[in-house]
Amino acid sequence: AIQMTQSPSSLSASVGDRVTITCRASQGIRNNLGWYQQKPGKAPKLLIYAASSLQSGVPSRFSGSGSGTDFTLTISSLQPEDFATYYCLQDYNYPLTFGGGTKVEIK
Amino acid sequence: QVQLQESGPGLVKPSETLSLTCTVSGDSISAYYWGWIRQPPGKGLEWIGYIYYSGSTNYNPSLQSRVTISIDRSKNHFSLKLSSVTAADTAVYYCARGGGKGFDPWGQGTLVTVSS
Repeated sequence: AIQMTQSPSSLSASVGDRVTITCRASQGIRNNLGWYQQKPGKAPKLLIYAASSLQSGVPSRFSGSGSGTDFTLTISSLQPEDFATYYCLQDYNYPLTFGGGTKVEIK
Repeated sequence: QVQLQESGPGLVKPSETLSLTCTVSGDSISAYYWGWIRQPPGKGLEWIGYIYYSGSTNYNPSLQSRVTISIDRSKNHFSLKLSSVTAADTAVYYCARGGGKGFDPWGQGTLVTVSS
């Protein structure tokens, strides 16, 4: 199975900060990567698919980049509603595998 | 607007079979992949498996010997069965629509506790 290593596992940031989360795959997955946001007690929400495509309705401050093994989720200007846990997911091959998550907390 | 809703018992005894159904509204189930994902309390997400509308399936090898996903196009729902459950199977179980552009949308999730 492909291992997805997310970093950092947590971070503290202030409103307005630029935040970057990375995900590294144990083998190449082309651009078959998605990013999800999860708030406490809620289902995950798709933000980015195919590494860099913004899901409809998601604010443009979210962006994704990368291909192969290294991927990045960037929040250009952190908003209060962005404090949550973020997960990457590879859907290049089975079994699909998630990263361990990055919790974004208020500084 | 497509909506998914999980249903099933919230408490299952050890060694028994967990059974959940995901009802799809606002779209036909006769397209896309339909998946199950779970999340133990306080932990990360784990993909359980997929079913294609045609009935073909893919399962996580870690669960493959115990899991069955089926689809009922006449009722516009798909189901999960996980046999021989233990406390390690206690989790929030989510259903979601998948297929090349990520999982979207998701059901709200349902907590299943394995306990005697």
